[in-house]
Amino acid sequence: AQKVTQAQTEISVVEKEDVTLDCVYETRDTTYYLFWYKQPPSGELVFLIRRNSFDEQNEISGRYSWNFQKSTSSFNFTITASQVVDSAVYFCALSEAGGGGATNKLIFGTGTLLAVQP
Amino acid sequence: DVKVTQSSRYLVKRTGEKVFLECVQDMDHENMFWYRQDPGLGLRLIYFSYDVKMKEKGDIPEGYSVSREKKERFSLILESASTNQTSMYLCASSTVRGMGNQPQHFGDGTRLSIL
Repeated sequence: AQKVTQAQTEISVVEKEDVTLDCVYETRDTTYYLFWYKQPPSGELVFLIRRNSFDEQNEISGRYSWNFQKSTSSFNFTITASQVVDSAVYFCALSEAGGGGATNKLIFGTGTLLAVQP
Repeated sequence: DVKVTQSSRYLVKRTGEKVFLECVQDMDHENMFWYRQDPGLGLRLIYFSYDVKMKEKGDIPEGYSVSREKKERFSLILESASTNQTSMYLCASSTVRGMGNQPQHFGDGTRLSIL
């Protein structure tokens, strides 16, 4: 069965600290996709990144970076030099690849609340 | 940019009422989804639709139904609202075009209270 685990319920850091959000997934498929979303206090989930199971290259986008390791079934998210605006709930999600016309169902983790203190 | 619009940000209804939550997307997406979000449980899929008039049950469909008469609109219906349906409801859409599973795009959410 598919499952996404975000063991960290809440994390509090002081501005400019680096912080890593953990995500561990379970799936029996060989082809799958992993996602990170950000949910600020306003409520809307904002898409951050998509990774497919064949691409284990780490990715960096500004202060954000993602570390995908199939050997440990993990897809961790690091924010460097955190800012107050990074305060949000972050969700990791898994989607198994379907055939053409896949419905892209997502399985979400329970989320990590990140609080960045000034 | 993709725009997913939910009809209400906040809604208060009474037990036993029939409640409609509306969602509209403007990107001609094939897939649409309804989730509910509860503290400590993350997002759980209620129903989804991959085409007009098509619907599939998600993980927690009990007490809900959906309607998709037009491609851009996906409605969630609480047939007889109960207090345990007090929650945040999120609508999302995605396309099947492009390589692989495309990301879902979400609306702002509707915070529904059943009294």
